[in-house]
Parts: sequence; structure tokens; C-alpha cells
Amino acid sequence: EPEVTQTPSHQVTQMGQEVILRCVPISNHLYFYWYRQILGQKVEFLVSFYNNEISEKSEIFDDQFSVERPDGSNFTLKIRSTKLEDSAMYFCASSEGPTGTPLSYEQYFGPGTRLTVT
Amino acid sequence: QKEVEQNSGPLSVPEGAIASLNCTYSDRGSQSFFWYRQYSGKSPELIMSIYSNGDKEDGRFTAQLNKASQYVSLLIRDSQPSDSATYLCAVMTAGRRALTFGSGTRLQVQP
Repeated sequence: EPEVTQTPSHQVTQMGQEVILRCVPISNHLYFYWYRQILGQKVEFLVSFYNNEISEKSEIFDDQFSVERPDGSNFTLKIRSTKLEDSAMYFCASSEGPTGTPLSYEQYFGPGTRLTVT
Repeated sequence: QKEVEQNSGPLSVPEGAIASLNCTYSDRGSQSFFWYRQYSGKSPELIMSIYSNGDKEDGRFTAQLNKASQYVSLLIRDSQPSDSATYLCAVMTAGRRALTFGSGTRLQVQP
């Protein structure tokens, strides 16, 4: 069964450093997402990406964050100048393109990258 | 502020019983509703989606939606210890793709 993959599984970085989290969405999916979950808290939407551009972003997704589809398979989240409060699980998700069926809205999550900022 | 509310639990049921999980949402523009299961330290796993009022069944799971009451629920029949997890309700507004999640209900199935 196709699945979303993410690397690394755990990233430790020092405050102020830049990190890049990587994701390989399901191959025939056209919508890509990043969510985060701070320990013990809700899963929060960060950004969605379609047709090589951001389609939607939350208030959390400020200038510190950026996303990119550098090639035909990878989808990345870059966090510049990390802060202690960026420590969280970051989940990548993907869904089908606008097929006109309800199934296209279903989002499948990768295993996550645990980011620890020290 | 769009809110999705769930009782945090834990909801404890004996093995073989029916577990009933509930969720309310504040945004009347919500059109798509999802239940995810999340084991401790793992990622959300999609269980069910529902888009119209009424019931939708898939194996041991039944999702129920009442848009007038802004209420969605998940029933798990013949609960198994392996069903013990946190169940997340997620809602999508019409015209958008972002999911708004509730804080989840922790389910414990006692052998």
C-alpha cells in the first residue's frame, strides 16, 4: 500500500539553526501538507501546497517557514532560525488532486519527524 | 475561531463492547469530516471520512453526522484491546483543504 515517508525521524538542532524536513508524498497525490503537533497538544495545520505553489497557510506559517517541491518526488519544509518553541512532531500529509470525488479530500499522514530544538 | 471539541477521556470500555466517541464543531461552513486514530508517539491514521448527514459504515466502524446539530460521532463495535488509542476528529471547511483537529479522545479497551 502506498504511503507517505518522512526523513529524518528525529532531528536535534540548536536554537538559531536552520533545518530542512523532507517528505515523499504518495506518488499520484497532488496536494501536500505540513502539520505539527507540540507534545500533548492538538495537531495543527501549517501549510498546503498544490500545483507548485502554496494554496493555503495558517498563522503559524510565518516568514520563518518555507516549503518547496525541489523535484518530482520530494516535498520539504524549511525552518529558519529555529526557536525552542519549534520543538514538535512535524507531519507531512498528501491527498489526491481535485478529482471531484470526496475521496480526493482524504489526507494520509507520514510517520513524522520529531524536531528537538536545544 | 473554528473549534472542534472532543471529550479528552479516557473512555474505558470492556473488550467486545461498543465504544462511542463524539465531536462537535463550531464552523457551519464545515463540509468534510474525518476520524483519525493516533497511537502514542505515532502519526494520525485515517479511519473514516463522512460528508453527508446520516451514517456511514466500514467494518466495525460507523461514522454519524448531523450537520444541523454540528455533531459527528464514531462508533466502534466489538472493541478490541488493539483499538486502544487516541481518536482525533478533524473537520474541513468548504473551499479549503486545511484540517482542523480536535484534541482527541483517549480510548482504553479493557481485556
